Amino acid sequence: EAGVTQFPSHSVIEKGQTVTLRCDPISGHDNLYWYRRVMGKEIKFLLHFVKESKQDESGMPNNRFLAERTGGTYSTLKVQPAELEDSGVYFCASSHLGQGARWSQYFGPGTRLTVL
Amino acid sequence: KQEVTQIPAALSVPEGENLVLNCSFTDSAIYNLQWFRQDPGKGLTSLLLIQSSQREQTSGRLNASLDKSSGRSTLYIAASQPGDSATYLCAVLTSGTYKYIFGTGTRLKVLA
Repeated sequence: EAGVTQFPSHSVIEKGQTVTLRCDPISGHDNLYWYRRVMGKEIKFLLHFVKESKQDESGMPNNRFLAERTGGTYSTLKVQPAELEDSGVYFCASSHLGQGARWSQYFGPGTRLTVL
Repeated sequence: KQEVTQIPAALSVPEGENLVLNCSFTDSAIYNLQWFRQDPGKGLTSLLLIQSSQREQTSGRLNASLDKSSGRSTLYIAASQPGDSATYLCAVLTSGTYKYIFGTGTRLKVLA
């Protein structure tokens, strides 16, 4: 069974440009999460999808970030326009739906975003 | 609000030593606690997951314990090897939420 995959693995962009990160969850996982780790800080939650619906986007830093999950499969996270402080590693995770939140979240390898 | 703290922040030990990494959390109402490993420039690798009803989990040379009442977990690494060098992260899933709260990690270096 394939794990959570993320693309690209690394992105370097100029301040003001747009970047789109993609996450493919494990097949059959209805829950999808985005987290990020910025320099020197702990990994923090950004948002949570159940299928195509946003359940919790309390961690999204501002309206420059837009997450979508059309069709309830893969998800994209767009940053527009990117700022220097958006640099960091963006992780995606997925889990089964059911039995509350007891299912383990499986994390992808992350996308390292560098904004110059 | 759940807060997760990891001590020490960094640790350097000679090869072969047994070592203990600590994780503490402020809200004991949790679904589970997970220990991860992160290598430089790489993603997260899940090491052990302990459900709230469990006291410990073991995998090879790794043993993780959970004491919910005191808000503590420890990761025990037996007979450390240079390949164990990495950052170890503790993350807690608080009851009623779907988001893991992570600690800042312990950066481990095992010297050959």
